Amino acid sequence: NAGVMQNPRHLVRRRGQEARLRCSPMKGHSHVYWYRQLPEEGLKFMVYLQKENIIDESGMPKERFSAEFPKEGPSILRIQQVVRGDSAAYFCASSPTAQQPQHFGDGTRLSIL
Amino acid sequence: DQQVKQNSPSLSVQEGRISILNCDYTNSMFDYFLWYKKYPAEGPTFLISISSIKDKNEDGRFTVFLNKSAKHLSLHIVPSQPGDSAVYFCAPRFIPGTQGGSEKLVFGKGTKLTVNP
Repeated sequence: NAGVMQNPRHLVRRRGQEARLRCSPMKGHSHVYWYRQLPEEGLKFMVYLQKENIIDESGMPKERFSAEFPKEGPSILRIQQVVRGDSAAYFCASSPTAQQPQHFGDGTRLSIL
Repeated sequence: DQQVKQNSPSLSVQEGRISILNCDYTNSMFDYFLWYKKYPAEGPTFLISISSIKDKNEDGRFTVFLNKSAKHLSLHIVPSQPGDSAVYFCAPRFIPGTQGGSEKLVFGKGTKLTVNP
C-alpha cells in the first residue's frame, strides 16, 4: 500500500518561472492537504481539497498560487512567477476522511535561483 | 500570532530514560491534538493523538497527556531509544465546522530530540 507520493522531490526554478508540484494521495484517500515549511519553522497550512473541490484555501497567498485536485490524476500545487521567498519544502498530506489523521508525503523541496 | 508553541527547540536524553516533549496552545477551537515525528528529508509521520475530551492516551512507549484548563499537552516516550531521535511536532486540529469548515492542522515549530546511546 503505497504512501502519499510527491514529485518531484527537488525542483529548481529561476525567478519568474512556474513551479508545478504533484501529489498522489494514498489509495482510498479523497482528502488532500498542502502545507509549506520554511527553514526552522513548523509546517503552515495552505489549502485543503477534495475531488474537484477546494474546501479551504485560507492559507494560500492571494496571488500566484493555485491548487487543484481533478477527478482523475494527482493534486497539483501551482506557483506562477516564482520569487526567492517561495523557496521552501512543500508537503502534501491525505486522509480517508476529514476526521482521521493526515498522512504526509516526503515533500518537494523548491529552490528559486 | 503563534497558536501552538513548543518552547524547547531541542532535547537530549540518554537511551532508556524518559523523554518529555511539551506543547502549549492558545486557541480553544482545537478538538484533536496530534503528534508527528519527522526525520530529515522525509515527511512527518503520525505518532499518536488525543481527543480534547480525554486527558491521557497511551500507545506502547508513547503516552500523551492533555491538560485542557492549562492549554498544555505533553508527549512522554519511555524508554527512549536512539531511533527516536527526530523532530517532534505538536499539531492540533480545529473543531469541524470552525475555521472555514476545515480540519486543518496547526503545527508548532518542533522539538529536536536526540537520544544518546
